[in-house]
Formats: sequence, C-alpha cells, structure tokens
Amino acid sequence: GAVVSQHPSWVICKSGTSVKIECRSLDFQATTMFWYRQFPKQSLMLMATSNEGSKATYEQGVEKDKFLINHASLTLSTLTVTSAHPEDSSFYICSARVGGSGGNTEAFFGQGTRLTVV
Amino acid sequence: AQSVTQLDSQVPVFEEAPVELRCNYSSSVSVYLFWYVQYPNQGLQLLLKYLSGSTLVKGINGFEAEFNKSQTSFHLRKPSVHISDTAEYFCAVSESGGSYIPTFGRGTSLIVHP
Repeated sequence: GAVVSQHPSWVICKSGTSVKIECRSLDFQATTMFWYRQFPKQSLMLMATSNEGSKATYEQGVEKDKFLINHASLTLSTLTVTSAHPEDSSFYICSARVGGSGGNTEAFFGQGTRLTVV
Repeated sequence: AQSVTQLDSQVPVFEEAPVELRCNYSSSVSVYLFWYVQYPNQGLQLLLKYLSGSTLVKGINGFEAEFNKSQTSFHLRKPSVHISDTAEYFCAVSESGGSYIPTFGRGTSLIVHP
C-alpha cells in the first residue's frame, strides 16, 4: 500500500512554544489529508481536513488559530500547535487519501506523533 | 451521518484460541467498512475493508470479517490468535459516494495471553 510518513515520531516541548508536525505521502499524491488527535485509550478524533492549495476545514470545537494546518503541496501537510500547553499533550495522527471522484476509498495513516508539553 | 459502536473495550484471550471483535454501525446510506490495527505508539494499519461484493472479507494476518447488512454489523474474526496480535483494533465506516472520511469506533483492546 501507499506510504505516509509523519515526523517527528515524538517531541517534548516547553509550555508556550510552538511545534510543527509534518505529514508526507511518499509514493502518491494526496489531494486530501486528515489530522486526528487520539487521547489515551480512546478513538481517533478528526481535527481537520486539509486540501492542497486551500484552507483547511476544521471540525467543530477545534481552534483553528491554535492548530494551524498548511497543505502547500500534493505530498506535504503540516500541523503546527501554537503556544502549546500541557493539555495539548496527545498523540497526533495524519492520514492521506488519493483524491478524485470515485478515487481510492482507503485512507493511509502516518505512524503518529507523540507530543508532550511540559 | 454515520456512527460506529464497538461493544467491547477489551477482549482477553489465550494464544491459539479463536477471537471475535464486534462492530455495529448505523448509517442512512450505503457504507464502506474498515478494520484497522494499531500497535503501541504507532499509526493505524488497514487489516481489511468491505466496499461491495462478497460479504466475507479476508484481510492480512489471518483476519476476516463478515458484513451483515440486516444486522448492520461487521465483526472481525481470527480462528487462532498469536501473542503478536495484541493491539488496539478500530472499526471504521464511511459513506459510499460521500467524502470517504471514516468515522471510527472507540477501539477494542485485544490482549492475547500465553
């Protein structure tokens, strides 16, 4: 299957700083990428849908000014957690889908990023 | 809108025993169904998917699932589990012909004991 690479795998940052997480589709072009947040022992919560060349669509309750998403190319989307606080500590996962009407229905997932804010 | 219910949060089994992880969904339209596996501190890996056709779907690692439209279920089964199958399993549904954004269940933790 297609490969989605997420970097870094884990990061520790100080409260008040910003952290950028990258999500790359290595062997396909992803017109749409998704960002999820996962709390311990819980399911994945969709944060936002990122479309190449346009603004991300955020789910209700997700602060767009806190979680900045950029999808500048067909193979790269970034999530920046701005002014991070301990409550932002979580496991963040991206996924990518080959776009197009009737296109591939499967979403491919990155390995996730464990963010710890101290 | 669709939703997914995974009835068991944790399923303990002994090695080489069979296992079934339950998944029920609700949707007003036709759906695609998926099972994903997540190992600790890793992303999700697709085990199998149902898009159309045969209701019995075979996936990787010896897993299979059966789509039952009348019962709106998509239970995951394996006839003989290994220690290495210990992981979190997520059932997901997306509306066919829609945005394909999957909705995930809360997950079932499969714990295989020696």
